Amino acid sequence: LAKTTQPISMDSYEGQEVNITCSHNNIATNDYITWYQQFPSQGPRFIIQGYKTKVTNEVASLFIPADRKSSTLSLPRVSLSDTAVYYCLVVSYSGNTPLVFGKGTRLSVIA
Amino acid sequence: NAGVTQTPKFQVLKTGQSMTLQCAQDMNHEYMSWYRQDPGMGLRLIHYSVGAGITDQGEVPNGYNVSRSTTEDFPLRLLSAAPSQTSVYFCASSLRRGNTEAFFGQGTRLTVV
Repeated sequence: LAKTTQPISMDSYEGQEVNITCSHNNIATNDYITWYQQFPSQGPRFIIQGYKTKVTNEVASLFIPADRKSSTLSLPRVSLSDTAVYYCLVVSYSGNTPLVFGKGTRLSVIA
Repeated sequence: NAGVTQTPKFQVLKTGQSMTLQCAQDMNHEYMSWYRQDPGMGLRLIHYSVGAGITDQGEVPNGYNVSRSTTEDFPLRLLSAAPSQTSVYFCASSLRRGNTEAFFGQGTRLTVV
């Protein structure tokens, strides 16, 4: 399964757009990129998933270039409530492997 | 819709005691798993199950047992608690293994003294 690399932490002011980039150089053809969000004292929550190009939902956008070796999670106009840890995962949609979480990116939003 | 329910939320054990962390889901999901999360760390997989009667080991299975007698329930047993097992434990379920939308419980914070 492809290993992922993402920044340990990021700071942002309220109202700014935040982009968190994840590197996954060894991603396989059948793999998808998935992001989870974890608030303090809670379990992770699925945010968004994509295979290539751009995916957008009510929470975030996910940008995946053609080579798929990296991806960027974009959070528009963050608020204090977006302070959380964000995990980038590469998941085999063939179902042969469980979800593997790294240390994630700790996003701190400042007023 | 309750989702994934974990009990208890908090527990303090003495070294050598045993206990069972309960996990139940009401979404008819095939796949269930247990993770532990230590301070500043990501989640590490302990055990998982792809369906009733089938379980397998994850990354850190030592000291833990699981069983899956029903689709809904996936309890995690600590056989003889050790201070190294002090952690927050999360149970998760998804429609199938590899399905990317996993649903997590609220966690059980366990302290072993």
